[in-house]
Amino acid sequence: AQKVTQAQTEISVVEKEDVTLDCVYETRDTTYYLFWYKQPPSGELVFLIRRNSFDEQNEISGRYSWNFQKSTSSFNFTITASQVVDSAVYFCALSELMEYGNKLVFGAGTILRVKS
Amino acid sequence: DGGITQSPKYLFRKEGQNVTLSCEQNLNHDAMYWYRQDPGQGLRLIYYSQIVNDFQKGDIAEGYSVSREKKESFPLTVTSAQKNPTAFYLCASSPLGQGESDNEQFFGPGTRLTVL
Repeated sequence: AQKVTQAQTEISVVEKEDVTLDCVYETRDTTYYLFWYKQPPSGELVFLIRRNSFDEQNEISGRYSWNFQKSTSSFNFTITASQVVDSAVYFCALSELMEYGNKLVFGAGTILRVKS
Repeated sequence: DGGITQSPKYLFRKEGQNVTLSCEQNLNHDAMYWYRQDPGQGLRLIYYSQIVNDFQKGDIAEGYSVSREKKESFPLTVTSAQKNPTAFYLCASSPLGQGESDNEQFFGPGTRLTVL
């Protein structure tokens, strides 16, 4: 069965610190997708990134970067020079392919608190 | 603007009452999903629908029912059989298929249900 583990329940940092959120996954599929979503206090999930299993290139988007390592089944997320607005719950998710479309399996989430 | 709307944002219900949560999308997506979120846990799939007049149970369907009479609408009914209905409910939609972009799910703002 698919499984996503986010071992860090809560992380607190001071503004401008770098922070890495860990994500480890389990799947039997050879083709799959990994996602990161941000959930601010308003509750809506905001899509951050999608990565397919055949693309192990790391990605950088502004202060955000992602490290995908298939060998260790990890898809970690780093925020550089954190800001108070980064405070949110962050979810890592794994797609489970169905006959049509997909289902997402979520980790428990990591609460990030950035203090000024 | 294209997106997903959920109403109401907050909902209070007395024990023993059924209640229906609304979810509407104008993204022309074929697939729609309902997730439940509890504190400290990730999102869990309740029901999903890949096409009009068809839907499947997710991981925690007991005590819930859905309908999909129109492509843009996927209401969720929380019945009195649901033993612990207090939670945050999120609706999502996605295109249907196995392609790269078909794996991204777009989320609504959520409905917070409290049973009194």
